[in-house]
Amino acid sequence: QKEVEQDPGPLSVPEGAIVSLNCTYSNSAFQYFMWYRQYSRKGPELLMYTYSSGNKEDGRFTAQVDKSSKYISLFIRDSQPSDSATYLCAMRVTNAGKSTFGDGTTLTVKP
Amino acid sequence: DTGVSQDPRHKITKRGQNVTFRCDPISEHNRLYWYRQTLGQGPEFLTYFQNEAQLEKSRLLSDRFSAERPKGSFSTLEIQRTEQGDSAMYLCASSRTGTGVETQYFGPGTRLLVL
Repeated sequence: QKEVEQDPGPLSVPEGAIVSLNCTYSNSAFQYFMWYRQYSRKGPELLMYTYSSGNKEDGRFTAQVDKSSKYISLFIRDSQPSDSATYLCAMRVTNAGKSTFGDGTTLTVKP
Repeated sequence: DTGVSQDPRHKITKRGQNVTFRCDPISEHNRLYWYRQTLGQGPEFLTYFQNEAQLEKSRLLSDRFSAERPKGSFSTLEIQRTEQGDSAMYLCASSRTGTGVETQYFGPGTRLLVL
């Protein structure tokens, strides 16, 4: 079993919808939680990071971490066609160092 | 653009050949990471450097793989005697420590196909 499990999708939503992306993990030592966006044939791009449990909001994006359930989420409000990409969750034990990634959820936002 | 650059972007090779990839990190970034990503999977950590020192290597990194960062700037990843299972995207990322939560900036990757 992988340390980080991510809903595989694919996910297809109409423009303007609220999108929920989720990951679960098994390593209770993870303290830093990240969401990356990856367009086709490109490297991942960091969207948001959260330390420990709690919520963090940045524009249309909200990241939530529930360490007691070992569950993290990314919400996208008012989704746009330009949000169409693969979203990867990632986690680290320490502030710096290797990240452990989920396998990604491919999102398509239809106009 | 002063982002992470990788060269080549694509490489096709025959089984058994050696290949070498290069990564140029963002200027003044002291950490450099190598990850491997196969189709439909997330990136998997291979190894990372802080300046010239290789601080950690994954068990995924067999003896056929070697990475260097001789002057603490660019890095090379060499795969000897390539196998078809080595076909993947090889991603490089760089970061600067000591500035809060570490942000790893990824390059565009080198896509390797072993025939």
